[in-house]
Amino acid sequence: DQQVKQNSPSLSVQEGRISILNCDYTNSMFDYFLWYKKYPAEGPTFLISISSIKDKNEDGRFTVFLNKSAKHLSLHIVPSQPGDSAVYFCAASLYNNNDMRFGAGTRLTVKP
Amino acid sequence: DTGVSQDPRHKITKRGQNVTFRCDPISEHNRLYWYRQTLGQGPEFLTYFQNEAQLEKSRLLSDRFSAERPKGSFSTLEIQRTEQGDSAMYLCASKQGVEAFFGQGTRLTVV
Repeated sequence: DQQVKQNSPSLSVQEGRISILNCDYTNSMFDYFLWYKKYPAEGPTFLISISSIKDKNEDGRFTVFLNKSAKHLSLHIVPSQPGDSAVYFCAASLYNNNDMRFGAGTRLTVKP
Repeated sequence: DTGVSQDPRHKITKRGQNVTFRCDPISEHNRLYWYRQTLGQGPEFLTYFQNEAQLEKSRLLSDRFSAERPKGSFSTLEIQRTEQGDSAMYLCASKQGVEAFFGQGTRLTVV
């Protein structure tokens, strides 16, 4: 059962433009959401998170938006840089729960 | 380096052999997780330890899989009688709060 879905397997943007990565979830009990970035031959690294009591969280060039009614979240990267090229995973969990569910990932390519 | 470390990074084994992977978590983290990732998929939860106690196991974890965390420090994941379907990246993660920190993973290839 795929409770977290990333429907776009890949995204290509020009350097300096905005990258928008999307994620949908089905379990309305999820109350904490995270984004991870993964480079080849490395494990996922934590990027940014958001609690369900918020609808936006910002950290430098990265902003995550949460729309609970639509069960949708998105990650915005502005401006995009070539070093941002990686696979981005969306994850959801119950707060402090142990079974964090991941989406299948979106491969972002930022072209110089 | 105070991150999560995994050993080995790569393992090639013949079908039917047993393999064991090791994970050293961030030292102050009392929670340790094992995930499995196959091509084109996100990480899938396998099992979880709070200190030395294994508190949760996914139904993905068949009886050929066993995990331990003696003394609540490092952890091992053993796969007995490996099958080709076991070929995957095995990821270990540790956390204290909500964010999990992952190791680089062990890529297992069963031939």
